[in-house]
Amino acid sequence: DAGVIQSPRHEVTEMGQEVTLRCKPISGHNSLFWYRQTMMRGLELLIYFNNNVPIDDSGMPEDRFSAKMPNASFSTLKIQPSEPRDSAVYFCASSFDSNSPLHFGNGTRLTVT
Amino acid sequence: SQQGEEDPQALSIQEGENATMNCSYKTSINNLQWYRQNSGRGLVHLILIRSNEREKHSGRLRVTLDTSKKSSSLLITASRAADTASYFCATDDRSGDKLTFGTGTRLAVRP
Repeated sequence: DAGVIQSPRHEVTEMGQEVTLRCKPISGHNSLFWYRQTMMRGLELLIYFNNNVPIDDSGMPEDRFSAKMPNASFSTLKIQPSEPRDSAVYFCASSFDSNSPLHFGNGTRLTVT
Repeated sequence: SQQGEEDPQALSIQEGENATMNCSYKTSINNLQWYRQNSGRGLVHLILIRSNEREKHSGRLRVTLDTSKKSSSLLITASRAADTASYFCATDDRSGDKLTFGTGTRLAVRP
């Protein structure tokens, strides 16, 4: 089992550009979560999906953020347009169901200049 | 918002000593989990304790839960340099769907 796979590992972009982060959850896991980690705010839940359906996106900071899960093996988090305050490490995590422990990817470190 | 608050924020101990980290939370929970994060990596699940349990063991880890005080502790016995990491508690909401993470304790174990 390769675990949760995120890409890219690092992303540096200029303010105003579109950023797309990608996640492949563990096969057979039915829940997928997107978290953001910063020194100031810690780990924040942005959105989570059950069976590819978005359940709670109340953590998405603004309309500039959107997430999709077109199938059970792929999810994207998009920021358009990006801003310097979006700089953070973005984690994707999956679990067998919403009550099971989470398995995290190694994150995407996003830097917006 | 942060549901859990870990204490202390940072802890430095000598290899072989025990490390104790505490977590306090605000609302009723179904279960509480502890995770570990090495620098530059994702979080790794360590242990889950349900609200009707008071203590749980896993190897050198011991977790206690006091729902009346809304607090939990993680004890790592006979620490090793490889235990150096940040440790987070996480609590679910009433539906059990969402995990909210605390602020974390940075543990440094000196060889």
